[in-house]
Amino acid sequence: EADIYQTPRYLVIGTGKKITLECSQTMGHDKMYWYQQDPGMELHLIHYSYGVNSTEKGDLSSESTVSRIRTEHFPLTLESARPSHTSQYLCASSDRDSVVYEQYFGPGTRLTVT
Amino acid sequence: QKEVEQDPGPLSVPEGAIVSLNCTYSNSAFQYFMWYRQYSRKGPELLMYTYSSGNKEDGRFTAQVDKSSKYISLFIRDSQPSDSATYLCATPRGDSSYKLIFGSGTRLLVRP
Repeated sequence: EADIYQTPRYLVIGTGKKITLECSQTMGHDKMYWYQQDPGMELHLIHYSYGVNSTEKGDLSSESTVSRIRTEHFPLTLESARPSHTSQYLCASSDRDSVVYEQYFGPGTRLTVT
Repeated sequence: QKEVEQDPGPLSVPEGAIVSLNCTYSNSAFQYFMWYRQYSRKGPELLMYTYSSGNKEDGRFTAQVDKSSKYISLFIRDSQPSDSATYLCATPRGDSSYKLIFGSGTRLLVRP
């Protein structure tokens, strides 16, 4: 079982609030990812990190920001939440030595902005 | 055109049926193909992967790649209610990164 954790699992928050979604992994993986997933839609990569102090934007434009100060921790922040941010956010990690590009996913955070 | 396309379903089958799940892809440079399984309220988990063409079998599951038609399949034999989940195909971008391109997933329901 993958050791990757996300908190909170569910979050309902009002428009304009600042939120941080937490993601931690205990596998020592160097690469970490944030995806956004809407029902019936593919996972869209919104942020990617090669390692500590290395982050880049993914394919889907997002108003969120991320940081990678420690290998195991990759939080995602929304400065001012809007209803359009309502979605499921999945965090994942992978090992540089994996030849099969396997990504380990957390359980997700389901965000609802009212 | 999406780089990886998948029929969203839902696909409903009786227990014990053989299930066929399919994806098409557009870029002939793609080499690795993966199937992830996602249960409700959970993150996806890697089920199987294949490299290039051919078949790969793991218990009741068989993954098949046809590079000539850019078609990948996952077969489930003797399907069980516990197989009820969304199945996503995925492939690395092919640009030497570890980023994956996912299909939208096919929701499978196996009826007892």
